[in-house]
Amino acid sequence: NAGVMQNPRHLVRRRGQEARLRCSPMKGHSHVYWYRQLPEEGLKFMVYLQKENIIDESGMPKERFSAEFPKEGPSILRIQQVVRGDSAAYFCASSRDQPQHFGDGTRLSIL
Amino acid sequence: GNSVTQMEGPVTLSEEAFLTINCTYTATGYPSLFWYVQYPGEGLQLLLKATKADDKGSNKGFEATYRKETTSFHLEKGSVQVSDSAVYFCALSPMNTGFQKLVFGTGTRLLVSP
Repeated sequence: NAGVMQNPRHLVRRRGQEARLRCSPMKGHSHVYWYRQLPEEGLKFMVYLQKENIIDESGMPKERFSAEFPKEGPSILRIQQVVRGDSAAYFCASSRDQPQHFGDGTRLSIL
Repeated sequence: GNSVTQMEGPVTLSEEAFLTINCTYTATGYPSLFWYVQYPGEGLQLLLKATKADDKGSNKGFEATYRKETTSFHLEKGSVQVSDSAVYFCALSPMNTGFQKLVFGTGTRLLVSP
């Protein structure tokens, strides 16, 4: 069974560009979570989605960040007009019931 | 609110030494508790979990007991190996949320030398 697949593994963007991070959950998992990890820190919850629905986005910045989990295809975390402070590792996790299984993350670097 | 506090690292041990990584939490009611491990360049892997007071989670020689009275979930291993070198995260899932919205500690780096 394939695990949670995230791509790209590394993404470099210049300030003001858009970043799109993709996450394919494990087969049979309908719950997707996005977390952000700043250097030397723990993971911080951003958003929880089920197919076509955002369930909890309490950890997501109000501006520039959005997430979706369409009926078909991967979940997408989109960051518009990136700034230096967006540099971090972004992890996706999926679950059916419990517990959450994590992908290897996308390391986003902003030049 | 909900929070997790872990001992700061790095924790440096020789192979076959005894390991303890402290974790305490603040939460309402009875959260579920987890330990995750992160190897360099990888995502988090679930190491063990406990869902109610006095439960003991165990896996690969690691153990942790859910102590409601001390709000703790300390990670222990009797004899560490070089391959255990990684960052260990304690986490909780608040009561009544299922396993959504994990709250993580800041992580403790473990370095094991031969």
